[in-house]
Amino acid sequence: DTGVSQDPRHKITKRGQNVTFRCDPISEHNRLYWYRQTLGQGPEFLTYFQNEAQLEKSRLLSDRFSAERPKGSFSTLEIQRTEQGDSAMYLCASSLDRVGEAFFGQGTRLTVV
Amino acid sequence: GESVGLHLPTLSVQEGDNSIINCAYSNSASDYFIWYKQESGKGPQFIIDIRSNMDKRQGQRVTVLLNKTVKHLSLQIAATQPGDSAVYFCAGGGKSYIPTFGRGTSLIVHP
Repeated sequence: DTGVSQDPRHKITKRGQNVTFRCDPISEHNRLYWYRQTLGQGPEFLTYFQNEAQLEKSRLLSDRFSAERPKGSFSTLEIQRTEQGDSAMYLCASSLDRVGEAFFGQGTRLTVV
Repeated sequence: GESVGLHLPTLSVQEGDNSIINCAYSNSASDYFIWYKQESGKGPQFIIDIRSNMDKRQGQRVTVLLNKTVKHLSLQIAATQPGDSAVYFCAGGGKSYIPTFGRGTSLIVHP
């Protein structure tokens, strides 16, 4: 399968725990995006990478959130000290270049209890 | 930054009818717009895009119209099918070409 892959698909965690999500973009796509989506809303931009460089972060990305793309391939999104308000679908997308079509993964649904 | 919004939260149509989903945007500097379809439990799926130097673009059963004068774009789906039932988002590209989404319109197709 050559689509964007996200792991895990679902995560339930207790408040205060740390969680990490992984995204494998389409091979050779140099742009990678992270979004968060809550019920009834559109995806909200969190951050994006151009190769391994993190070029932009949204104000939604508090200091409890960190994203990496160490070799310009897969990316991880970590949330530390999770809060109930972090419960959402976390979506990853990739594109070949800045004007290319962005392909989305199936998302990781996080539930903080 | 870009702000985009859909005009209606829900649109109900009969199978076989044409559907029109509307979207307004605020940033006149945006030069790239994308329509996405999202089915329940899945990530958004690209449908069609349009650059600001165009006012119309056609795909398979879909047409996007861009009116820069009133900052409005629309997605027209011809001969709507039950499989078209989903939430549709317009997204503005902005100067960094980062897709920025509005709230979406839920399209319900009745057989």
